[in-house]
Amino acid sequence: DAGVTQSPTHLIKTRGQQVTLRCSPISGHKSVSWYQQVLGQGPQFIFQYYEKEERGRGNFPDRFSARQFPNYSSELNVNALLLGDSALYLCASIKTGSYEQYFGPGTRLTVT
Amino acid sequence: AQKITQTQPGMFVQEKEAVTLDCTYDTSDPSYGLFWYKQPSSGEMIFLIYQGSYDQQNATEGRYSLNFQKARKSANLVISASQLGDSAMYFCAMREGYGDKIIFGKGTRLHILP
Repeated sequence: DAGVTQSPTHLIKTRGQQVTLRCSPISGHKSVSWYQQVLGQGPQFIFQYYEKEERGRGNFPDRFSARQFPNYSSELNVNALLLGDSALYLCASIKTGSYEQYFGPGTRLTVT
Repeated sequence: AQKITQTQPGMFVQEKEAVTLDCTYDTSDPSYGLFWYKQPSSGEMIFLIYQGSYDQQNATEGRYSLNFQKARKSANLVISASQLGDSAMYFCAMREGYGDKIIFGKGTRLHILP
């Protein structure tokens, strides 16, 4: 089975711009979570979606938003980018009926 | 207070030796779960093992086992017969209640020496 896929792999944006990151979960998984990992730190929870509904939100500003589509794929949007948004953005696919979370390869965002 | 504490920023271990990575956690919720993830330099977060707070047995997955000591709020990862490919960053993480939000520790960088 294919794992979690994320696109793009790398992205360079300028301060003030907007970015959209994409994630496709493992087939059969209905829930995804998004995490931000700044260099040298552990990942920080941003959002969780289940069946297209937001189930949880971390301590991130309103510039961050997300949505989930009927096929359970998800997008993370970040507006008005700041230099501090430079990070690895990880998507996790949550196994239905379990707490096990499987991460994708991540999108590395650089804001200049 | 930190929810997940990993006190070993880095470790050097000889190949084929067993490794124990320390993790302590803090929660007042009786239902919780503990994870260990491996993150190689490529960046991908690889799921290793999961232990639920109500699980009676310590979790094991191949060469990985989780030494769960509930009274001490400890969830150490044991890697048996270490290999060069085990060199990576290792994160301990926890979920609380019945949610799926995971809180991560700061990680331990493991170096396996030939």
